[in-house]
Amino acid sequence: DAKTTQPNSMESNEEEPVHLPCNHSTISGTDYIHWYRQLPSQGPEYVIHGLTSNVNNRMASLAIAEDRKSSTLILHRATLRDAAVYYCILRDPYSGAGSYQLTFGKGTKLSVIP
Amino acid sequence: GAVVSQHPSRVICKSGTSVKIECRSLDFQATTMFWYRQFPKQSLMLMATSNEGSKATYEQGVEKDKFLINHASLTLSTLTVTSAHPEDSSFYICSARDIRGEGTQYFGPGTRLLVL
Repeated sequence: DAKTTQPNSMESNEEEPVHLPCNHSTISGTDYIHWYRQLPSQGPEYVIHGLTSNVNNRMASLAIAEDRKSSTLILHRATLRDAAVYYCILRDPYSGAGSYQLTFGKGTKLSVIP
Repeated sequence: GAVVSQHPSRVICKSGTSVKIECRSLDFQATTMFWYRQFPKQSLMLMATSNEGSKATYEQGVEKDKFLINHASLTLSTLTVTSAHPEDSSFYICSARDIRGEGTQYFGPGTRLLVL
């Protein structure tokens, strides 16, 4: 599986934008980029996913580099409730029996400062 | 958005007893569900993949006779921890893959198991 690299931790001030980076230099052409986040003592929450084009939803935006070797999750205005561990995961839906699995790394722990 | 529930949210049991955890997709159908385990300060580790109507596929190192998985319908999967021991104490999380669209996975809130 193609692996991702994320910073261990980041800090942001409340109500400011946050850019969470993810490197995936060995990404294949059919890998989708997924982002999940996990608040303390809760299950992971789906945030966003994309393949090539930038994506926006009510939670965040996903900016994907032109060569797809990196991506950035953008929270437009951080709130205290956004403090969580953010996971960047690659998944190839066409890779056979294991194609639905998500492999979690250590993620980025985002702290939001009031 | 898609909702996955888990029951119970928290359970305390004596060593040697069995515990059943339910995972339900509430507003979508899921032919595939997943069971994860998460120890304190660690990331999620996949235990098994559960397919509706067929046997579960277990990850290496996970004992299938200890962690019994049943996926009897498109909205329900159960994990039974048999003869639980203190080392089985962990946070158990399920996820369900939506059969629609690109098959996004949605996670349950988790079940905290403490074996005394």
